[in-house]
Amino acid sequence: EVQLVESGGGLVQPGGSLRLSCAASGFTFSDHYMGWVRQAPGKGLEWVGRIRNKVNSYITDYAASVKGRFTISRDDSQNSLYLQMNSLKTEDTAVYYCAREGSGWYYVYWGQGTLVTVSS
Amino acid sequence: DIQMTQSPSSLSASVGDRVTITCRASQRISNYLSWYQQKPGKAPKLLIYSASGLQSGVPSRFSGSGSGTDFTLTISSLQPEDFATYYCQQTNSSPLTFGGGTTVEIK
Repeated sequence: EVQLVESGGGLVQPGGSLRLSCAASGFTFSDHYMGWVRQAPGKGLEWVGRIRNKVNSYITDYAASVKGRFTISRDDSQNSLYLQMNSLKTEDTAVYYCAREGSGWYYVYWGQGTLVTVSS
Repeated sequence: DIQMTQSPSSLSASVGDRVTITCRASQRISNYLSWYQQKPGKAPKLLIYSASGLQSGVPSRFSGSGSGTDFTLTISSLQPEDFATYYCQQTNSSPLTFGGGTTVEIK
């Protein structure tokens, strides 16, 4: 059974940093592109970014709203995905989901989400 | 970046109704379009991929169509468990943008 479990969310002050983790199991993690999607309270889904697999050189892509502040990485030996968030803003407050891409870049599997609150 | 526009933003319908939701892309995306259902407090669930492919385990009352810039999600006979918010997402190119969502409410 595919499982994605996010952790690391919490309360952080504006300008601060936070690192989210996503532990994957039930599939060959290293084969798949992985992504992060967020959802601000009461709002819609926003794509944050993604990281390709080793075959595709671990290339990353980001939404314009987070580019230069957020970094996605992965550790295939630990079946883990990470989201390093720096220079956080109040508008980054959201539930952050990790998700596994399918062959067509759509997301079949999602984690349960972890809440990040940016507030003073 | 490709912008995705969904309409309507919300609708009210009754059990048994046929419901259609539209998604329009700001540029042509072939059939690289997915649909998700999300219920409050839950992660999204993939319904349709590649515009018309029904994800395994999803009831056949859900169907998708379209190509290019205009796409539709149809629920042929609305069931109580279908009251939720629906999102489209283009998977043609990064950033993989979502539509704004359509909330289906009980009439």
